[in-house]
Amino acid sequence: GAGVSQSPSNKVTEKGKDVELRCDPISGHTALYWYRQSLGQGLEFLIYFQGNSAPDKSGLPSDRFSAERTGGSVSTLTIQRTQQEDSAVYLCASSLRRTGPYEQYFGPGTRLTVT
Amino acid sequence: EDQVTQSPEALRLQEGESSSLNCSYTVSGLRGLFWYRQDPGKGPEFLFTLYSAGEEKEKERLKATLTKKESFLHITAPKPEDSATYLCAGRMDSSYKLIFGSGTRLLVRP
Repeated sequence: GAGVSQSPSNKVTEKGKDVELRCDPISGHTALYWYRQSLGQGLEFLIYFQGNSAPDKSGLPSDRFSAERTGGSVSTLTIQRTQQEDSAVYLCASSLRRTGPYEQYFGPGTRLTVT
Repeated sequence: EDQVTQSPEALRLQEGESSSLNCSYTVSGLRGLFWYRQDPGKGPEFLFTLYSAGEEKEKERLKATLTKKESFLHITAPKPEDSATYLCAGRMDSSYKLIFGSGTRLLVRP
């Protein structure tokens, strides 16, 4: 079946602009995660959504970052007033349900470059 | 502090030369140790989940094992197409997020 999809695949923006990144999880997966992968770094957790529960935002690096998930499916990660240090690959993942199995399946990522 | 450390950072093998990748963890109440493969420009691809010490899982030339402190990914008779970055991650009891290591870049030469 279809995997996790993300758009755009690449985004180049000027410092100070806002960007929106989109994630479409695997159909039927109730949990959705955003991670960030910077050059030479490991994956860094950003935010987690599970069904209608309040999201776990503990990984968001600043208040310039926000995310929402509409209708329990598609999610949008918004970065306001982008900075050069925001340049990274933003990865979205989904998993089947809260009580397991816990395998997270990743999308191809959005490569964000802030100039 | 919960942490996952992978070694070596990079590994070069000749085709057919078996080896192992290491993932050591200090994750409180580990609720799963995950292995992923990542090719350049792509998202991580799920390989294995291990839940308890002594557990082993295999897929083609790959075999993952788990102890109370570390996990190994054994690669038997690798082929050039096994070249990729291999990531391991731990899931804590109190959270749903994965804590990733920085990965091992594997290059298998023909």
